[in-house]
Amino acid sequence: EDKVVQSPLSLVVHEGDTVTLNCSYEVTNFRSLLWYKQEKKAPTFLFMLTSSGIEKKSGRLSSILDKKELFSILNITATQTGDSAIYLCAVDPDQGAQKLVFGQGTRLTINP
Amino acid sequence: DVKVTQSSRYLVKRTGEKVFLECVQDMDHENMFWYRQDPGLGLRLIYFSYDVKMKEKGDIPEGYSVSREKKERFSLILESASTNQTSMYLCASSLRLVETQYFGPGTRLLVL
Repeated sequence: EDKVVQSPLSLVVHEGDTVTLNCSYEVTNFRSLLWYKQEKKAPTFLFMLTSSGIEKKSGRLSSILDKKELFSILNITATQTGDSAIYLCAVDPDQGAQKLVFGQGTRLTINP
Repeated sequence: DVKVTQSSRYLVKRTGEKVFLECVQDMDHENMFWYRQDPGLGLRLIYFSYDVKMKEKGDIPEGYSVSREKKERFSLILESASTNQTSMYLCASSLRLVETQYFGPGTRLLVL
């Protein structure tokens, strides 16, 4: 059974800290891994990763994939209160069924 | 600009009622999805549709049905609502590339 596991489930830090969110996966085949940010509305797309070792960066957020060890991390540096959200990791298992497998999400809270 | 809309942001229903959740996308996407999101469980796929009148069960289809009579509209139906269907329901759509799913704002359903 395809599975995506995120850790930690919940994280509380102070503004300015750096955080690392983890996502590990077990899928029969692999096409891509995606990160989403969900605030009070629907998730918004952050990154798509398909190749190992290539860092994707957007402002203070960055992500990297390790296809050998089957995990990805999402880093946020110099956190701000606006970074408070649930971060979702999803994997496309390339089953031809056109659906993603999601992790449980990490709830990140940034305190001022 | 990509747009996915859902008919209601909040709904309160009684046990046993029939509930319709509507989702409309204006991007001419082939694929549409219904998820529910619960704390600690992440997003779970209920049903998806890859074409008009075509549907496939996701991971948790029990207690739900769907309808896709037109390409832009995907409805989720709870034939007889139960309290364990209290949740946030998210609709999404995608083009042929499953990697990028565009989400609606969500419907928070409370079943009393």
